[in-house]
Amino acid sequence: NAGVTQTPKFQVLKTGQSMTLQCAQDMNHNSMYWYRQDPGMGLRLIYYSASEGTTDKGEVPNGYNVSRLNKREFSLRLESAAPSQTSVYFCASSEALELERYFGPGTRLTVL
Amino acid sequence: AQSVAQPEDQVNVAEGNPLTVKCTYSVSGNPYLFWYVQYPNRGLQFLLKYITGDNLVKGSYGFEAEFNKSQTSFHLKKPSALVSDSALYFCAVRDMGGSYIPTFGRGTSLIVHP
Repeated sequence: NAGVTQTPKFQVLKTGQSMTLQCAQDMNHNSMYWYRQDPGMGLRLIYYSASEGTTDKGEVPNGYNVSRLNKREFSLRLESAAPSQTSVYFCASSEALELERYFGPGTRLTVL
Repeated sequence: AQSVAQPEDQVNVAEGNPLTVKCTYSVSGNPYLFWYVQYPNRGLQFLLKYITGDNLVKGSYGFEAEFNKSQTSFHLKKPSALVSDSALYFCAVRDMGGSYIPTFGRGTSLIVHP
C-alpha cells in the first residue's frame, strides 16, 4: 500500500496565481484532512472531510477551498495565492474523525 | 474546549540515556491522547494512543507513554535513546465529550547526541 500520496512535492507560485494540491489514500479511510505546518505554529487544520460527500472548515480555512472527489481523493485549491500561504501542506486520512491520522509526505509551497 | 501543551521546544539527551518528552492537556471530559513523530522532510507518523485502560501505553520503535489523569499529562518515554530518534514529536488530544477533531501541540524537537 502506498498509504497517503500527495502531489506535487514542491511548488513555487507568484502572488495571485492559483493551484490545486492533490491527495489520495488507498487505506479505504472515511475521513480526510488538510493541514498546514509553519515554524513555531505546529499543525493547523485547514479543512476536513468526515466522509465522502462532506467537507467542513477547520481552524484556518480562509483563502482555500477543497473537494472530496471520491472516497480516495481530497484536493486543496488556492484560488489566489498570497505570501502568507507559504507553508508545508500535509494531507492525512483516518478511519474516523476521532482516530489517529495517517499523513502524506507533504507539499512545500512558496508564494513569492 | 480542549487544549494541549508541550512545554519544551527542545529536549537534548545523550544516546543510551532514557528520554522523556512532555505533554499536558486540558479537556472537560475524558481524553483521547496521541503521539506522532516527524522525521526531517517527512510527514507525521503515528506512534501510539491512549483511549482507555492501562495507563502505560506501548507504541512503535520502543516508545511508551504514561497517562496520568491527576496531573493531566501524557509524557512520551523511551528507556534508551538512539541517535535515530532525533525528530520532531507532536502530542494531540481529543475531548471525548466534545469535538471529534484532535488538537495538536506545537511540537518538541528531540536531539539525541552520540
